[in-house]
Amino acid sequence: DGGITQSPKYLFRKEGQNVTLSCEQNLNHDAMYWYRQDPGQGLRLIYYSQIVNDFQKGDIAEGYSVSREKKESFPLTVTSAQKNPTAFYLCASSTGSSPQGLSPFTDTQYFGPGTRLTVL
Amino acid sequence: GQNIDQPTEMTATEGAIVQINCTYQTSGFNGLFWYQQHAGEAPTFLSYNVLDGLEEKGRFSSFLSRSKGYSYLLLKELQMKDSASYLCAVRDLEGKLTFGTGTQLKVEL
Repeated sequence: DGGITQSPKYLFRKEGQNVTLSCEQNLNHDAMYWYRQDPGQGLRLIYYSQIVNDFQKGDIAEGYSVSREKKESFPLTVTSAQKNPTAFYLCASSTGSSPQGLSPFTDTQYFGPGTRLTVL
Repeated sequence: GQNIDQPTEMTATEGAIVQINCTYQTSGFNGLFWYQQHAGEAPTFLSYNVLDGLEEKGRFSSFLSRSKGYSYLLLKELQMKDSASYLCAVRDLEGKLTFGTGTQLKVEL
């Protein structure tokens, strides 16, 4: 089955520790994204990657880091510099971020199941 | 940048029709998406509009007016399983999505 997987579903960490959230996709998608979701707020873009070995900061990148060494994988590290890390983290992928919007089905973002991170 | 507004909550009756509105102000528009999200789960894609007009997909329809910066999602023949949050998202000219805060729909008997 093709899809996007995130693990674990629930994650607990002590304050001051770095933690890495995994995101894997076997859809052969070029673009991958990380969002954060907090109660009463919309999804906010943390980082995105349009191609292997390249990534860009989103709207709230401070305190986070990513890597894109393989097309299938886009792990997110939540560092101790992130002041409010407790949130629901969602990974997404799409065939490509096309500025011309060729088709909704080539550029639609599909989401993984999410990881709920709680920092104690 | 993008600014997206949608109602926080709505309640409707099973079997009825409900319309969820979304208004946006944008510096560059390249499509509007609707997603459904059940509590604790991932958003799932419902519909996409880039040209003015109505897109119909089964019980769900979505409308767009670019001149008014306005879209709505229409759900017909409501079922209990339609109780969820509905997210409006606007894509800019770089392909990035900006999401609204979501409308929590409650379907009652």
